[in-house]
Amino acid sequence: EVQLLESGGGLVQPGGSLRLSCAASGFIFSNYVMSWVRQVPGKGLEWVSTISDSGFSAYYADSVKGRFTISRDSSKNSVYLQLNSLRVEDTALYYCAKHNTGWGWFDPWGQGTLVTVSS
Amino acid sequence: EIVLTQSPGTLSLSPGERATLSCRASQSVSSYLAWYQQKPGQAPRLLIYDVSNRATGIPARFSGSGSATDFTLTISSLEPEDFAVYYCQQRSSWPRTFGQGTKLEIK
Repeated sequence: EVQLLESGGGLVQPGGSLRLSCAASGFIFSNYVMSWVRQVPGKGLEWVSTISDSGFSAYYADSVKGRFTISRDSSKNSVYLQLNSLRVEDTALYYCAKHNTGWGWFDPWGQGTLVTVSS
Repeated sequence: EIVLTQSPGTLSLSPGERATLSCRASQSVSSYLAWYQQKPGQAPRLLIYDVSNRATGIPARFSGSGSATDFTLTISSLEPEDFAVYYCQQRSSWPRTFGQGTKLEIK
């Protein structure tokens, strides 16, 4: 069974940093593209970033480009999201998601980790 | 950026009824469209991918159709567990985008 477990969320002041982690199990991690998607509580879904299976390619939403960095470590079966220069509008539940095949679809998703940016 | 517009915003139906949800893209996404279901307090779940393919374990009452810019998710006969929020999503181009969601509520 595929499992994705996010961690690292918390309360941070504007301008601060956090590193989110997603520990994966139940599949050959190095074979799959991974992504982060966020959701403001009570609102819709916003794609944040995607990293290729090799880790050599990464894509970002314009809203986070230059501030967030996605990475992965196949030796730890984990994907990370480094959040820098955080803004109040980055407050959201951050989901990690595996892609079903290639650059395909988000399937499945983790349960999310909450990031709150507030002074 | 491709904008996905879902309609209606809220759909009120009774169990056993047929639900039709719409997703319109601002430009063609070819067949690169998926639907997700999200229940309160849960992560989204992939329902339909590549317009019309059901994901693993998804019941046959869920079906998808459409092409280019106009897509539909149909639930043939609503079960109590189907009342949730549904999102469409495209992967035709970067950035990946989602529709704003349709809330399917019990009438």
